[in-house]
Amino acid sequence: KQEVTQIPAALSVPEGENLVLNCSFTDSAIYNLQWFRQDPGKGLTSLLLIQSSQREQTSGRLNASLDKSSGRSTLYIAASQPGDSATYLCAVPFNMLTFGGGTRLMVKP
Amino acid sequence: EPEVTQTPSHQVTQMGQEVILRCVPISNHLYFYWYRQILGQKVEFLVSFYNNEISEKSEIFDDQFSVERPDGSNFTLKIRSTKLEDSAMYFCASSPPPGYYNEQFFGPGTRLTVL
Repeated sequence: KQEVTQIPAALSVPEGENLVLNCSFTDSAIYNLQWFRQDPGKGLTSLLLIQSSQREQTSGRLNASLDKSSGRSTLYIAASQPGDSATYLCAVPFNMLTFGGGTRLMVKP
Repeated sequence: EPEVTQTPSHQVTQMGQEVILRCVPISNHLYFYWYRQILGQKVEFLVSFYNNEISEKSEIFDDQFSVERPDGSNFTLKIRSTKLEDSAMYFCASSPPPGYYNEQFFGPGTRLTVL
């Protein structure tokens, strides 16, 4: 059974910092890994999909890396802004999407 | 940009009542899913649907739950006799071919409150 863990569970930083959010998974036989953003009480917005054959995927200030062999992915957020405050979730498909518990990010002005 | 839509945004019901949650997936997608998120907990998979039948379901998806694609656009989740523990946010998602390992796009969710 696939288990997905995200560290840290919560993070509070001042505006402008570069951040690294971590995601680990127990079964490395994955097709891809997806990162989502969730605002309080809202749905999930897909940020990045990184295929198993890729090592990195970038979108604007976001960069996701994937190391299948070690069962890890990181989401790097450059020059964080207050508007980045949200919960960030990673998920891997293993017959269905299996989600981590998320990292709740607060960026203070 | 096409998006998944869900109605209603909030549903309040009495324990034991039936509810139907509705979703309109993105039009050229072929794979459809329901997930739920109990307050403060992880997002959990319920069921996936392809080619007019269930392709996978979790142990949460028991006989009280059913899904249907009644026409070419809607995808519904029915809970036959709601329990207090069914209170959660329910998300619909869809993905294009070739399958569940493709990117999934989520709707805004329906918050179900069972009293």
